[in-house]
Formats: sequence, C-alpha cells, structure tokens
Amino acid sequence: GAVVSQHPSRVICKSGTSVKIECRSLDFQATTMFWYRQFPKKSLMLMATSNEGSKATYEQGVEKDKFLINHASLTLSTLTVTSAHPEDSSFYICSARDAGHYVYNEQFFGPGTRLTVL
Amino acid sequence: KNEVEQSPQNLTAQEGEFITINCSYSVGISALHWLQQHPGGGIVSLFMLSSGKKKHGRLIATINIQEKHSSLHITASHPRDSAVYICAGILWGQSGGGADGLTFGKGTHLIIQP
Repeated sequence: GAVVSQHPSRVICKSGTSVKIECRSLDFQATTMFWYRQFPKKSLMLMATSNEGSKATYEQGVEKDKFLINHASLTLSTLTVTSAHPEDSSFYICSARDAGHYVYNEQFFGPGTRLTVL
Repeated sequence: KNEVEQSPQNLTAQEGEFITINCSYSVGISALHWLQQHPGGGIVSLFMLSSGKKKHGRLIATINIQEKHSSLHITASHPRDSAVYICAGILWGQSGGGADGLTFGKGTHLIIQP
C-alpha cells in the first residue's frame, strides 16, 4: 500500500531556532502533498498544499515566511518552521496523493511529527 | 461554527456493542474521509466516500449527500477499536488556497471497555 513517512517523529528545540520536517512518499510519487497541524485537543487544520515544482498554497492565517514549504521532488516535501516559538509547538502531519494510481481525493497520511519549542 | 460537525464528542461503550459516530457538514463536499487517530497521533485513513456505503471488515461508512450527513459504524466493537475517529471533507468553495485540502471535524474519542 501507499506509505508516507515523516522525519523526525519528535523534535524538541529552543525558541528562535529553525526546524525542518520531512515528508516522504516511500512507494509512490506524489505531485501533491498537504501539511496539517493539530494543537492539543483540537482539530487538525490544513496549513498548506504543496505541489511539486511550484510554490505552496497557504491557508488563510498561515504565515508563509514562518512555515517554509519545499516540494522539490515527487517523493519529498519539507516544512521548515523558522524562528520557532513555544506557540508553534504542535503535531504536524503530512499527507500525499498518489500521482500514479490516482483516486480522486484519496490521501495517505504520514505518522506525524511532534514539535516542542522550549 | 465548524463546517464539519461530529457527534458524539466522547463515547464509551462495552466490548461487542454496535457503535455509531455521526458527521454532518454545512456545505457541499466532493469527498468525505473517515480517519482513525491513535494515542501516538498517527492517522489511518479508513474510508473515502462520495456516495452510498462502504464496508471494510467490521467498519461501515455511509453518506447521504442530500442530507449532508455521514455515519461510521463499528460492529462487534473491541477494545482495540479505542481511538479518535475523525471525519474530514473536501468542501466546495472552502476558504484559502487549499482547494483539495481537508476540513476536519473535532473528532470522536471512542473507548471500548472489555
């Protein structure tokens, strides 16, 4: 089946540092990947849509300069939280669509990355 | 008001009981997902449907497009079914640039007691 990995699974960093989270499709090519964020006891929220070879599309209220997304290949998208602050502490999840066996709207989810900013 | 509403928010049941989780949405959707999230946070996609009914093992998902409502049923529930169940839809005309991104309900925290 379609497998999506994320790295790291957990990260703790100091305030002001930048953190990069990788999302990889392991056995399929993904022209589109999505980044979601989940605060404790809250719903998942779409942050941005990442399209291979083009700029990401951000949701309202998500700072583009703070959450840098790069989708440089068909199997990898990265989310970089720049100058992280404690309020950025959250659970970040990516999902991907299989470009090769495309079932419209089907998404495969990564296991998530728990970010804690001290 | 959240565009995707789930009920109940919390549900505790005994092993073997038939479980129903409901999801309603306020605008048209192109597809609705049922997801399962375990305590570690990882998400598993259970179903994606845009009409009718789907069944996988003990899980059944139905959707009524006209009524903007979907249900997830678990038959012969088991403690390993304990998780948070989330419905999520791709909403027509949703705000922002993510036209194909999901809008999530708040989830239903299900506990099945032995």
